[in-house]
Amino acid sequence: NAGVTQTPKFRILKIGQSMTLQCAQDMNHNYMYWYRQDPGMGLKLIYYSVGAGITDKGEVPNGYNVSRSTTEDFPLRLELAAPSQTSVYFCASVGSGARLDNEQFFGPGTRLTVL
Amino acid sequence: AQSVSQHNHHVILSEAASLELGCNYSYGGTVNLFWYVQYPGQHLQLLLKYFSGDPLVKGIKGFEAEFIKSKFSFNLRKPSVQWSDTAEYFCAVTPYGNNRLAFGKGNQVVVIP
Repeated sequence: NAGVTQTPKFRILKIGQSMTLQCAQDMNHNYMYWYRQDPGMGLKLIYYSVGAGITDKGEVPNGYNVSRSTTEDFPLRLELAAPSQTSVYFCASVGSGARLDNEQFFGPGTRLTVL
Repeated sequence: AQSVSQHNHHVILSEAASLELGCNYSYGGTVNLFWYVQYPGQHLQLLLKYFSGDPLVKGIKGFEAEFIKSKFSFNLRKPSVQWSDTAEYFCAVTPYGNNRLAFGKGNQVVVIP
């Protein structure tokens, strides 16, 4: 298993540009998450999904959009990039089972800079 | 919504010193508790977790954590740290049956050789 993969690893955007951060998992996990990590602030949940076709807002959704057309993929879209979106973005997934074993598996992250 | 508090954001230790990182959460019901570690330049990895049973949980690399329900705490400990333990440590909490994690702000630990 490759686990959770994210592309790109690094990206620099100009203000107002748009981009999509890709996230994929090959563990057949139903639940997927997008976080942003800012220094000294921990991880903040942006959006999450409990299955294909179902998404919901997290703690800091403004300026982002998501879609979940398949179980494997959960892309995060920035439509009009702003300097406040400079951050490291992590995707995570977790399976759901009888034990509700909700250990989250994280991807390697995307470091985004908006100038 | 639940919240997670981690104090002493920056911790500097010498090798062989003992480490204890505090974690307190605000949620009155049954919770699942986690400690994640992020080594420099790497993604988050699970260090240990508590779901039920023995409140003293042992994880990887000699780490352990103790769940004290009455204090809403899940403190992480290691008796003797190594230089390779330099990392950022995050406590995370989720109510039982809920897959949304709430993270603390993290503890940046630097171990000096």
